Amino acid sequence: DAKTTQPTSMDCAEGRAANLPCNHSTISGNEYVYWYRQIHSQGPQYIIHGLKNNETNEMASLIITEDRKSSTLILPHATLRDTAVYYCIVRGNAGNMLTFGGGTRLMVKP
Amino acid sequence: NAGVTQTPKFQVLKTGQSMTLQCAQDMNHEYMSWYRQDPGMGLRLIHYSVGAGITDQGEVPNGYNVSRSTTEDFPLRLLSAAPSQTSVYFCASRPGGSGNNEQFFGPGTRLTVL
Repeated sequence: DAKTTQPTSMDCAEGRAANLPCNHSTISGNEYVYWYRQIHSQGPQYIIHGLKNNETNEMASLIITEDRKSSTLILPHATLRDTAVYYCIVRGNAGNMLTFGGGTRLMVKP
Repeated sequence: NAGVTQTPKFQVLKTGQSMTLQCAQDMNHEYMSWYRQDPGMGLRLIHYSVGAGITDQGEVPNGYNVSRSTTEDFPLRLLSAAPSQTSVYFCASRPGGSGNNEQFFGPGTRLTVL
């Protein structure tokens, strides 16, 4: 699986957009980009995934660069409940489970 | 649906004791897995299963055994607990096949080994 690099921590003001970057320069053609988050000791929660097109769902948007070497998760209007550790994971769809790195600790402040 | 359930929520063991962490899912998912999470760290894969009767090792399998006799259940056995196994254990499941790799996680079991 391709390795990912994320900032250790970020702050965001409540109500503003939170933009979380992820670098995955060694991603291969059949690997997807997944985002999960973990809110204070709970089990991780799936947010969104994509291959090469931008994706949007009710939780977030995922922007993947054209060369697929990096991506950005966007929470359009961050709330205090979005404070969590966000994991960017690159994985093919078949076989083994996900490999989690250190993630980005997002702190949403009033 | 209850989703993924784990028991117990908390457990304290003495070094050398054995125990089984239970995991069950009611979504008819083929794939199930066990992760451990040490303080301030990301999750690491212990063992996984792609269907009943099939298991394989993950990143950190030593000291743990698994079996998958039914689709619903995937217990994790600690053979002889050690302080290094103090951690939070998460079970997860997902549908089989290629396509969406969204995994559903349980609430975790917090294990302390003295």
